[in-house]
Amino acid sequence: EIVLTQSPGTLSLSPGERATLSCRASQSVDSTYLAWYQQKPGQSPRVLIYGASSRATGIPDRFSGSWSGTDFTLTISRLEPEDFAVYYCQHYLTSPPGYTFGQGTKVEI
Amino acid sequence: QVQLQESGPGLVKPSGTLSLTCTVSGGSIDNSFWCSWLRQTPGKGLEWIGEIYLTGNTNYNPSLKSRVTISMDKSKNQFSLKFNSVTAADTAVYYCATSFFYAIQDWGQGTLVTVSS
Repeated sequence: EIVLTQSPGTLSLSPGERATLSCRASQSVDSTYLAWYQQKPGQSPRVLIYGASSRATGIPDRFSGSWSGTDFTLTISRLEPEDFAVYYCQHYLTSPPGYTFGQGTKVEI
Repeated sequence: QVQLQESGPGLVKPSGTLSLTCTVSGGSIDNSFWCSWLRQTPGKGLEWIGEIYLTGNTNYNPSLKSRVTISMDKSKNQFSLKFNSVTAADTAVYYCATSFFYAIQDWGQGTLVTVSS
């Protein structure tokens, strides 16, 4: 089983600042299978990034994904007020097929 | 992009069966995506339950597999979840969703299911 560990648990920033969120996999994974989501209170999660670095439809270019080895990063270049939310990383395992999620990082003002 | 809506009882008795249906609108269930069920709790976070493809092929979370059945009714553009022998630990917000390219693309709004007598 692959475990995704997100850090930090909470990130306190101001609008206009840069946010860097980390997701570390417990073993080597293919970046093809790594995605990031945003969830606001009372809403369903929304996919931001898939394939570790491809933005989903309609996602602003201030959101970007990158990786190095087992460390994956979601960067928000300049925080907008609507970006304050909880962010999750997710991995898809091909055998046996299934999805696992990190525990989330809360980005707060 | 399609819209998804969960429906079903919000309260289930312990040891009973949780049954939910997801109705897909704005498009047909087709071979471009898998249909998934997930749940979310404050304690365990987001948990994938399982998925079904147009052909009827299913994949389940190994930790839940013994209690879960996912089925599809293509004629109604719906897919369903049945979860047996529920306990309080199964109390959660349940989401239906579509998955594409190894990510969960479209989500329903979620429905809270409480397991309690």
